[in-house]
Amino acid sequence: GENVEQHPSTLSVQEGDSAVIKCTYSDSASNYFPWYKQELGKRPQLIIDIRSNVGEKKDQRIAVTLNKTAKHFSLHITETQPEDSAVYFCAASRGSNSGYALNFGKGTSLLVTP
Amino acid sequence: DADVTQTPRNRITKTGKRIMLECSQTKGHDRMYWYRQDPGLGLRLIYYSFDVKDINKGEISDGYSVSRQAQAKFSLSLESAIPNQTALYFCATSPGQATYGYTFGSGTRLTVV
Repeated sequence: GENVEQHPSTLSVQEGDSAVIKCTYSDSASNYFPWYKQELGKRPQLIIDIRSNVGEKKDQRIAVTLNKTAKHFSLHITETQPEDSAVYFCAASRGSNSGYALNFGKGTSLLVTP
Repeated sequence: DADVTQTPRNRITKTGKRIMLECSQTKGHDRMYWYRQDPGLGLRLIYYSFDVKDINKGEISDGYSVSRQAQAKFSLSLESAIPNQTALYFCATSPGQATYGYTFGSGTRLTVV
């Protein structure tokens, strides 16, 4: 099955700096790559996603890049703020071949210090 | 998000007991999923369902069973709970079209003692 690896497991940055989280996947049939933010005690919330026919997607301070050849994708957060502190999960899906189920990375705990 | 409701929110049960976690949704989504979250392990898929007649095992289905009673309801059962099933359980839904649009429930924190 699909294996998604995520690095780093913890990341500490100063407010205003950028943060980058990287994920690799094993199944070349994967075609959808979402990123979720989970605050303490809360449910995961989708923050951005990218499909395999696109190399980059941006939404204000958040961007995701995808390299299909290398089978890796990354989350970039610019101008970080303390409220960006949370656990971030990447995921990959093979779409209809797997019931649109998501395979998640193990998460990155991001701490943004003022 | 009240669209996907999980009950109970918290539960403590004893080893060997049968327990059911329930999920109901008002989003009209066809696909429903149960995930388990453990610290440092991310979310892992237990079971998923396309509709009431279609149930599929996920990565870690052993020790669990599910029932899709209606389009809006998807229950997860632990027939004989064991301590390593202590975890945070999430139900999720997504629409039947070729889009993802996952919505997660608030989660059920289960402790098996």
